Amino acid sequence: EAGVTQFPSHSVIEKGQTVTLRCDPISGHDNLYWYRRVMGKEIKFLLHFVKESKQDESGMPNNRFLAERTGGTYSTLKVQPAELEDSGVYFCASSLTVNTEAFFGQGTRLTVV
Amino acid sequence: AQKVTQAQTEISVVEKEDVTLDCVYETRDTTYYLFWYKQPPSGELVFLIRRNSFDEQNEISGRYSWNFQKSTSSFNFTITASQVVDSAVYFCALSEGTDSWGKLQFGAGTQVVVTP
Repeated sequence: EAGVTQFPSHSVIEKGQTVTLRCDPISGHDNLYWYRRVMGKEIKFLLHFVKESKQDESGMPNNRFLAERTGGTYSTLKVQPAELEDSGVYFCASSLTVNTEAFFGQGTRLTVV
Repeated sequence: AQKVTQAQTEISVVEKEDVTLDCVYETRDTTYYLFWYKQPPSGELVFLIRRNSFDEQNEISGRYSWNFQKSTSSFNFTITASQVVDSAVYFCALSEGTDSWGKLQFGAGTQVVVTP
């Protein structure tokens, strides 16, 4: 069974550009989470989808970040326009239910120059 | 405020030595869950264990063991007879109250380096 897959694995963009990260959860997992780890900081929760609905987006840093999960399958996280402080590793995780363990992807390393 | 503290940034051991990773948490909830995840060089976070706040029984899984003590708000992790494959970053995490187990508050992580 395929695990959580994230694309791309690494992205380097210039300040002011737009980047879209993609996450494919484990098949059948209704719950999808986004996290990020900026340099020197802890891994921080961004938001939680249940199917296509945003259950909790309390961790989204600002309105430059837009997450979608159309159809309740894969999810995208768009950063527009990117700023230098957005550099870090963005993780996606999925779980079958809200009370089962979350499985994480390998992360997307975003570098904004 | 930091809710999960992993004071050890990096621990280096020689193969076959035991290593203990400390985790101290802070919460006002009576129901909560504690987790340990492993991040090998490949990058993904691998689930190791979950404990709920009502179960203080220690657990052993192979060379891994966990010591949960509510009195000191600690959930420490010991690797016995370490191996090179144990080299990774280990994260302790907390899920509070009715939050989803996928909504986690992570500690800063402890890098474990095991040398032959």
